[in-house]
Amino acid sequence: ETGVTQSPTHLIKTRGQQVTLRCSSQSGHNTVSWYQQALGQGPQFIFQYYREEENGRGNFPPRFSGLQFPNYSSELNVNALELDDSALYLCASSLKTGTGQEKLFFGSGTQLSVL
Amino acid sequence: LAKTTQPISMDSYEGQEVNITCSHNNIATNDYITWYQQFPSQGPRFIIQGYKTKVTNEVASLFIPADRKSSTLSLPRVSLSDTAVYYCLVGGINNDMRFGAGTRLTVKP
Repeated sequence: ETGVTQSPTHLIKTRGQQVTLRCSSQSGHNTVSWYQQALGQGPQFIFQYYREEENGRGNFPPRFSGLQFPNYSSELNVNALELDDSALYLCASSLKTGTGQEKLFFGSGTQLSVL
Repeated sequence: LAKTTQPISMDSYEGQEVNITCSHNNIATNDYITWYQQFPSQGPRFIIQGYKTKVTNEVASLFIPADRKSSTLSLPRVSLSDTAVYYCLVGGINNDMRFGAGTRLTVKP
């Protein structure tokens, strides 16, 4: 049990719609990262938020956007959904300490299906 | 960011020791090596992290040679429940945590 919770667990949308996924960080963590994982592949880095600011972004178009709130919870928003957006979306919280490589604590993910 | 290379899959039997090696030839001086385990329909779970030599915890050991261009995750006496995908990540402070394709370990009875 990581203490990271994601909602909803499953979601079905149609092409062109918009979706918002939510993540509650583990207590004491100040960083949230979002990943997209297609079936049979490794998680692909979308972006990271540190103290409410975007702190790195992977190779995803601008229709993928995010927010981090003062309590360090986070949202992932995807506009104009495409069929290829169907995937497991994972949120990971961590604590940046200024030393070493931070350890990621993942939630169980949101399974998004785009029809 | 250092690129990592791992075997795509490995098979083992219950009770055996399993060693999964990750190559990271362009690892930087400040980079650490971290391994994660992932079961189907779950997020990855942190296993172990190291910088050099050997690190051991309650579930695994991590061996890192002096040149740090590779690392080996060692799982002692695996059981069926160790069947999972294992990922090697290399990076330092403020690096993006980018996953490769991982190694799919299958433990057979």
